[in-house]
Amino acid sequence: EAGVAQSPRYKIIEKRQSVAFWCNPISGHATLYWYQQILGQGPKLLIQFQNNGVVDDSQLPKDRFSAERLKGVDSTLKIQPAKLEDSAVYLCASSLAGAGAEAFFGQGTRLTVV
Amino acid sequence: QKEVEQNSGPLSVPEGAIASLNCTYSDRGSQSFFWYRQYSGKSPELIMFIYSNGDKEDGRFTAQLNKASQYVSLLIRDSQPSDSATYLCAVKAAGNKLTFGGGTRVLVKP
Repeated sequence: EAGVAQSPRYKIIEKRQSVAFWCNPISGHATLYWYQQILGQGPKLLIQFQNNGVVDDSQLPKDRFSAERLKGVDSTLKIQPAKLEDSAVYLCASSLAGAGAEAFFGQGTRLTVV
Repeated sequence: QKEVEQNSGPLSVPEGAIASLNCTYSDRGSQSFFWYRQYSGKSPELIMFIYSNGDKEDGRFTAQLNKASQYVSLLIRDSQPSDSATYLCAVKAAGNKLTFGGGTRVLVKP
């Protein structure tokens, strides 16, 4: 079974530039999560999709971050304009629906804003 | 108050000893509880989950849940150097929202 695919693996941009991350979840997984993990901290939930609808985006900085999940499969997360404090690993995870369903993580995208 | 709280550590244990990790959560409606392990530079991977009060054992790992106290713990028996990692507690609430704690760093010394 293929895992969660993310790209790119690494990205370096200057502040005020824009960047986009892509995620392809495990086939059949209706739930898709985007997390931001700053070095030394736990993953922080940015947005959660159920199929192509947003379930929770309460911690997404909507003035600069946006995300979409077209056709309930692939998802993209965009930052525009980037700030220095956006430097982090962006993790995508997917799971089946259900309280006991495990979330599987992709390898993440390490973003450095200089 | 953070939704999911863990002691950041590091928790240093000698090889062969028991490592005990704790996690508290604030949402009484939380439905299931997960322990993930994360090696440096890698993504989190699931160790085990629990949703009923009491203990659940899987190999050298035991998860304990007390919903009345809003407390979940993880015991690692016979700790090995390969267990050195950050352990993340995650709590799933209504709507499948999955919230992580800050993680506890564990160091197992040979």
